[in-house]
Amino acid sequence: QTVVTQEPSFSVSPGGTVTLTCGLSSGSVSSSYYPSWYQQTPGQAPRTLIYNTNTRSSGVPDRFSGSILGNKAALTITGAQADDESDYYCLLYMGGGFWVFGGGTKLTVL
Amino acid sequence: EVQLVESGGGLVQPGGSLSLSCAASGFSFNTFSMNWVRQAPGKGLEWVSYISSSTTTIYYADSVKGRFTISRDNAKNSLYLQMNSLRDEDTAVYYCARGKIYGVDYWGQGTLVTVSS
Repeated sequence: QTVVTQEPSFSVSPGGTVTLTCGLSSGSVSSSYYPSWYQQTPGQAPRTLIYNTNTRSSGVPDRFSGSILGNKAALTITGAQADDESDYYCLLYMGGGFWVFGGGTKLTVL
Repeated sequence: EVQLVESGGGLVQPGGSLSLSCAASGFSFNTFSMNWVRQAPGKGLEWVSYISSSTTTIYYADSVKGRFTISRDNAKNSLYLQMNSLRDEDTAVYYCARGKIYGVDYWGQGTLVTVSS
């Protein structure tokens, strides 16, 4: 069973840049997995940041960008702000009508 | 403005059934695929089910296959999830989410389903 991997936690300084990644326990992530990224703060519904690898969802500031870096999907946040402190999840389409979320990354801004 | 509003959550005993609804507004519902995604307390997100805009294509996660049924009524701008043979591990907040290029772009606020005796 393929597992989608994310860093459990990450920290960034205010104003800094951080790159979160989304990989596979076996194999490489490519644009064919249509990676998407979601932000969630405690008690709230998720918010879509990026879909189809690098397309920002409506209203998402350009501080958030998506890409493929090496064999993983990546979410880069530039100019981190205090309210970026959230959980971040990636989602991959595995094909055959099957989607898998990563376990999530808890981002701390301090 | 795109809005998705779930309803129907509640407390149900193991082995019981529950039906969730999602009312959509602010977009042409009949042109978008839809999904159900759930989140157990303190856990991450889990994709549950997908239905295409015309209902011709339906998929389920292995964890719910054979127990849950997704459906939609495009005339009523509504998405549904019929959940049967519920287990403790089905306890979660259930979100409906609009499909967008093999991801999702808009989410509802969620409805809590608690399976407990």
